[in-house]
Amino acid sequence: AQTVTQSQPEMSVQEAETVTLSCTYDTSENNYYLFWYKQPPSRQMILVIRQEAYKQQNATENRFSVNFQKAAKSFSLKISDSQLGDTAMYFCALRETSGSRLTFGEGTQLTVNP
Amino acid sequence: GAGVSQSPSNKVTEKGKDVELRCDPISGHTALYWYRQRLGQGLEFLIYFQGNSAPDKSGLPSDRFSAERTGESVSTLTIQRTQQEDSAVYLCASSLRFGHIYGYTFGSGTRLTVV
Repeated sequence: AQTVTQSQPEMSVQEAETVTLSCTYDTSENNYYLFWYKQPPSRQMILVIRQEAYKQQNATENRFSVNFQKAAKSFSLKISDSQLGDTAMYFCALRETSGSRLTFGEGTQLTVNP
Repeated sequence: GAGVSQSPSNKVTEKGKDVELRCDPISGHTALYWYRQRLGQGLEFLIYFQGNSAPDKSGLPSDRFSAERTGESVSTLTIQRTQQEDSAVYLCASSLRFGHIYGYTFGSGTRLTVV
């Protein structure tokens, strides 16, 4: 069974600084996809970034980048130049290519302070 | 529509009553998920529909929970004889067949409160 673990329930960072959110996962598959989603108070889940497991190069999307360590089954999210609008709950998720289930971690509440 | 629409946005019900939650996926999206999110927790998989294939119901927590979807249209999640432990936000997501490639779109959820 696939599992996703986020060990940081809460994080805070000063505006304009950099913060890293941790995520580890477990899967028996070799082909899978990893995601980071942001959930603001509006409740709607917003895709932040996605990584294909077969790609060695770390994904980047503007201020957001990941550190994907396949052997260690680690998938951390780095937010650079943090903005007040980044304040939200962040979820790490895993989808095995052969399966159908999208499995989420418990989430990390990120607060960006002015 | 432009996004995934869920209704109602909020629902308060008395313990023991049945409730029905609705999800309107994006037109053309063959895959549809239901998730439950308890306060301060992650998303718990409930059920997955893919086109006309048999749904993956392995996440439904009890036989009080059921979901229907006809083809690629609207889905309804029904909770019978609601309990206080059912209080949560119920999120729906839809995608093209290969959502892991093309992306998942989530609705804003239904907040269910059982009193």
